[in-house]
Amino acid sequence: GDSVTQMEGPVTLSEEAFLTINCTYTATGYPSLFWYVQYPGEGLQLLLKATKADDKGSNKGFEATYRKETTSFHLEKGSVQVSDSAVYFCALTDSGGGADGLTFGKGTHLIIQP
Amino acid sequence: DARVTQTPRHKVTEMGQEVTMRCQPILGHNTVFWYRQTMMQGLELLAYFRNRAPLDDSGMPKDRFSAEMPDATLATLKIQPSEPRDSAVYFCASGTDRGRRETQYFGPGTRLLVL
Repeated sequence: GDSVTQMEGPVTLSEEAFLTINCTYTATGYPSLFWYVQYPGEGLQLLLKATKADDKGSNKGFEATYRKETTSFHLEKGSVQVSDSAVYFCALTDSGGGADGLTFGKGTHLIIQP
Repeated sequence: DARVTQTPRHKVTEMGQEVTMRCQPILGHNTVFWYRQTMMQGLELLAYFRNRAPLDDSGMPKDRFSAEMPDATLATLKIQPSEPRDSAVYFCASGTDRGRRETQYFGPGTRLLVL
């Protein structure tokens, strides 16, 4: 079956540091890939997505590139802020984001210190 | 700003009691998903619907859980009887099946504690 593996953390960085959160996946089909973010006490919000190989998703300074050859979708940001502190989930779906359930990684807790 | 709403936001109950969680999907969305989040298992898909029809509930304990969509504006998840191991945050999400670019939108969740 499908699966997503990501570093669980917590990952602690100083403000303005460079961020990378690794995510790799296994899937039987041609998945769409997502990063969701969860702030304390809230639901999940879509951060970015990519639906085919070599696509780059980007939003709020975050980027991730769909790498089929390495089955990866690593999340990056050049300069993090305290407000980026949250839990980040990598996820996939095998047939369109709205049509089938998402398979999630365990989540990475990110802590940004001033 | 369209949002998925869930009620109640918090629920504390005793083992053996029935629990009903409700979800109002975004107007116009035709897919609805239920997920459960626990520290141990992370986020798991419990069930999902397309055009109000259940498509997959293989992630749900059949003997005690049930999910329904009485109409297009309401989805329910029931646990009867509840057990302490059901304590978790339950999320509802909605979306459309118009293609690969569609996104699932999550509600704020129902935090359930079964004593």
